[in-house]
Amino acid sequence: GAGVSQSPSNKVTEKGKDVELRCDPISGHTALYWYRQSLGQGLEFLIYFQGNSAPDKSGLPSDRFSAERTGGSVSTLTIQRTQQEDSAVYLCASTSPQAYEQYFGPGTRLTVT
Amino acid sequence: AQTVTQSQPEMSVQEAETVTLSCTYDTSENNYYLFWYKQPPSRQMILVIRQEAYKQQNATENRFSVNFQKAAKSFSLKISDSQLGDTAMYFCAFAEMDSSYKLIFGSGTRLLVRP
Repeated sequence: GAGVSQSPSNKVTEKGKDVELRCDPISGHTALYWYRQSLGQGLEFLIYFQGNSAPDKSGLPSDRFSAERTGGSVSTLTIQRTQQEDSAVYLCASTSPQAYEQYFGPGTRLTVT
Repeated sequence: AQTVTQSQPEMSVQEAETVTLSCTYDTSENNYYLFWYKQPPSRQMILVIRQEAYKQQNATENRFSVNFQKAAKSFSLKISDSQLGDTAMYFCAFAEMDSSYKLIFGSGTRLLVRP
């Protein structure tokens, strides 16, 4: 079946602009994760959604970052007033119920100029 | 807090030979999962192998096997009969058996398989 998809594949934005990154998890997967991969910080957990439970936002680096998951499926990560240090690859992953293995999407490369 | 350390930034191996990538971790938990992920230039993170901490037997997946030493908090990956397609970044990752299973990653090892 189809894997995790993310869009756009690449995004270039000017400092100060807002951006939205989209993730479509594997159909039937109830858990969804966002990670950030940057040269300076490596791979970092950002946020976790599980069904209708309150998300775990403990990894979000600042209040400029937010995410939502509509209808238990698609998720959008929003970064407001982007800064150059936000430049990174943003990875999304999903997990099926009763499982713990995460399946990753191809990521969105964000470049803030 | 849990940490994962990969002390080899880069490794190189001749095609068809065997290579071992190192990973150590620090945790006070007794139940957790460990993973090796592969990331080729396409950026797609691919699960290579996983190990449950409560299992003593080392996991194997075809040419990939691990040496899991729980007391030493060590989780190395052995790749046998290396192939050109194994060239990639390899990340060791840890997940606590809590409600989220969020992954904590090491810094990665870049593996080059030489023809």
